[in-house]
Amino acid sequence: DTGVSQDPRHKITKRGQNVTFRCDPISEHNRLYWYRQTLGQGPEFLTYFQNEAQLEKSRLLSDRFSAERPKGSFSTLEIQRTEQGDSAMYLCASSRQPPPNYGYTFGSGTRLTVV
Amino acid sequence: AQSVSQHNHHVILSEAASLELGCNYSYGGTVNLFWYVQYPGQHLQLLLKYFSGDPLVKGIKGFEAEFIKSKFSFNLRKPSVQWSDTAEYFCAVNPGHRGSQGNLIFGKGTKLSVKP
Repeated sequence: DTGVSQDPRHKITKRGQNVTFRCDPISEHNRLYWYRQTLGQGPEFLTYFQNEAQLEKSRLLSDRFSAERPKGSFSTLEIQRTEQGDSAMYLCASSRQPPPNYGYTFGSGTRLTVV
Repeated sequence: AQSVSQHNHHVILSEAASLELGCNYSYGGTVNLFWYVQYPGQHLQLLLKYFSGDPLVKGIKGFEAEFIKSKFSFNLRKPSVQWSDTAEYFCAVNPGHRGSQGNLIFGKGTKLSVKP
């Protein structure tokens, strides 16, 4: 069990640029989740996948956000035309099916700063 | 909308003091409940979880939590804290109804500072 890996750990970008983050879940975990955490708040659910299928998207996930998990393994989260309000920690978590009995394993996150 | 409330934003204790962190949720049905901890510079880690059965749940590092359904509460306790317990603690809820998608609703977190 190598844990959930996220890359990069930190990203600074200029407003209007596109950014992409990667998450590698624990290999036997079917479910993969993306959360966003801003200062002083708990993580907020964005979207989740079961294998390669994206099964739910939060209203927080605007049209500028897109997530993929093409082969049911790693996932990417892309933000287009970044805004300062996108500055946050983006967390990835994975779990076995069926959730949540096995609990979630979280990655260390990608901290995005939009300047 | 479902929500989770953590009453204390920042708690400061001396070593060996007892700890109780409050958590209330707003959801009338079956719930699965969690406490996560985030040590400085580290990722979220599961402390304990409740699905069913004994409402007093024991977790790692001497933590426990009690589910009181009538109060919609799931408070976290530890009889004697250590300096190494300094961290941020998050309560989380997952609606346990059939077809639940498994995503968690988190509280805003409580920062615990333990003075040596």
